[in-house]
Amino acid sequence: EDQVTQSPEALRLQEGESSSLNCSYTVSGLRGLFWYRQDPGKGPEFLFTLYSAGEEKEKERLKATLTKKESFLHITAPKPEDSATYLCAVQAGGGSYIPTFGRGTSLIVHP
Amino acid sequence: ETGVTQTPRHLVMGMTNKKSLKCEQHLGHNAMYWYKQSAKKPLELMFVYSLEERVENNSVPSRFSPECPNSSHLFLHLHTLQPEDSALYLCASSQDSDGNQPQHFGDGTRLSIL
Repeated sequence: EDQVTQSPEALRLQEGESSSLNCSYTVSGLRGLFWYRQDPGKGPEFLFTLYSAGEEKEKERLKATLTKKESFLHITAPKPEDSATYLCAVQAGGGSYIPTFGRGTSLIVHP
Repeated sequence: ETGVTQTPRHLVMGMTNKKSLKCEQHLGHNAMYWYKQSAKKPLELMFVYSLEERVENNSVPSRFSPECPNSSHLFLHLHTLQPEDSALYLCASSQDSDGNQPQHFGDGTRLSIL
């Protein structure tokens, strides 16, 4: 059974305090790992797709990395507007249409 | 108008009512999805449509009935719902359903069952 575990469940940072969110996964034949950001009252917003171990993607203060067992979302010098819930999802191969989502990490950045 | 639009944004209904949720995507995508999001739980995929054909029904009770009349529109018909069905219902679309493409989500319908 495919599993996705995100940690920590909640994270509070001061503005400018860099940190990382973790997404650990077990899946048979990873087809893709996705990071999304979700603001209160909104749907998830796509951030990154990673397909193979060693791959990295960057966007502004965010950088996503991937190994064979986990992915990290690094946040450098965060700002209050980075406050949101960050979701990780994995898509297995083998013809499955069902992505597996983690429970998310709730990030609050204090000014 | 761009992106994925869901209506209504909020819905309150009794257990004996019948209502429908609507989703429209303006991205030219071929796959559309219904998800359920409950507090403290991961997103749960309910249905997948690819080119208007249902390709996945993730063990969803029959009181939820999807309809996809064309590649831009998706409906979720609701009848005889239970209190535990109260949740945020999200619609999403992607270029195709092979799992390689990211999904683009609407802002959801917040459903409350009295």
